[in-house]
Amino acid sequence: DGGITQSPKYLFRKEGQNVTLSCEQNLNHDAMYWYRQDPGQGLRLIYYSQIVNDFQKGDIAEGYSVSREKKESFPLTVTSAQKNPTAFYLCASSINFRGSGANVLTFGAGSRLTVL
Amino acid sequence: AQTVTQSQPEMSVQEAETVTLSCTYDTSESDYYLFWYKQPPSRQMILVIRQEAYKQQNATENRFSVNFQKAAKSFSLKISDSQLGDAAMYFCAYFKGGNTPLVFGKGTRLSVIA
Repeated sequence: DGGITQSPKYLFRKEGQNVTLSCEQNLNHDAMYWYRQDPGQGLRLIYYSQIVNDFQKGDIAEGYSVSREKKESFPLTVTSAQKNPTAFYLCASSINFRGSGANVLTFGAGSRLTVL
Repeated sequence: AQTVTQSQPEMSVQEAETVTLSCTYDTSESDYYLFWYKQPPSRQMILVIRQEAYKQQNATENRFSVNFQKAAKSFSLKISDSQLGDAAMYFCAYFKGGNTPLVFGKGTRLSVIA
């Protein structure tokens, strides 16, 4: 079955360490996104990518980095510069970013990052 | 920038009753899309319903329906015959189209009382 796989589901990190969250999709979707979810804050956009080798900053990109070397993959690195990285991270994809397909998002199951 | 406001952080409903979740948004666009997503305790986001702004008819999906008031920029979700499995966070989202991502509200946590 097609879908989005995020790994790991739970991750613990010491302060000062970088960590990379994986996001893989087999839906042949063009666009991919990373959101951060905190209690009472809803979903806030970190980065998004419309095509391979191209990505744009979202509302809270500071302290994060991404790459899009393959259509299927959009890993997110949480760097030591991110001051408050403990959160739930959601990856999503959509088939038709620019078109009239209403940009329906398919989400992964999420990754919970805790900084010790 | 577009904003989406969900003014009810928490709501509760008795099983089998009807509940309405509110959502308002700010835009100067005439064509756009609106969505309701559900996030159950598993935290897997699920699309509940979507509405195209150019369609006057309110979208319906089984027990879920919307009241789309374009002039008032309001997009409420009505859940009829509420079930225990409806307990979740519900997020309203706006999509302008083109090269823009979805904008989400902060969510409403719905509890269903048996």
